[in-house]
Amino acid sequence: GNSVTQMEGPVTLSEEAFLTINCTYTATGYPSLFWYVQYPGEGLQLLLKATKADDKGSNKGFEATYRKETTSFHLEKGSVQVSDSAVYFCALSGYTGTASKLTFGTGTRLQVTL
Amino acid sequence: GAVVSQHPSRVICKSGTSVKIECRSLDFQATTMFWYRQFPKQSLMLMATSNEGSKATYEQGVEKDKFLINHASLTLSTLTVASAHPEDSSFYICSALAGDNEQFFGPGTRLTVL
Repeated sequence: GNSVTQMEGPVTLSEEAFLTINCTYTATGYPSLFWYVQYPGEGLQLLLKATKADDKGSNKGFEATYRKETTSFHLEKGSVQVSDSAVYFCALSGYTGTASKLTFGTGTRLQVTL
Repeated sequence: GAVVSQHPSRVICKSGTSVKIECRSLDFQATTMFWYRQFPKQSLMLMATSNEGSKATYEQGVEKDKFLINHASLTLSTLTVASAHPEDSSFYICSALAGDNEQFFGPGTRLTVL
């Protein structure tokens, strides 16, 4: 079945540091890949997505590239801010009928300090 | 973006009682909603897919008689934890599927069963 593995946290960085959160996946077929972010006290929000190999998703300075050869979708940001502190979830989708079922990784907590 | 609400945000109950959690899409209609369960430091696990006007589809290992799902309208799905026990204590999250197949998540409900 489908599965997602992402690096354990917490990840603690100073403001303006470079961020990488690793994510690898196992799936049948050609899933779409997602990064979701969960700020304290809020629901998950879609951060970015990629629907096919070599696609790059980007939003708010975050980027991730769909690498089929390494089955990876690592999240990167060149310069993090305190406001980026949150939990980040990597996920993939597999269709059942017309609805997308999401499989999530365990989440990585990012703490950015001044 | 689209907004999904959950009510209540936290609930504490005695063992043996039933608890109802509501999930509402506030500014869009959703024929499909999903219910997830999240354990500490673990990923979101899909429990069931809720379809408006029809029976929910449960994932393997999820007791349909314990976790009762009713998708009463295009904006409301409810999850009832029947005769709750301490092992049912968890964080329950719903999502609603929008027209472009993107899931929008609620903020979650923390259930504590004493």
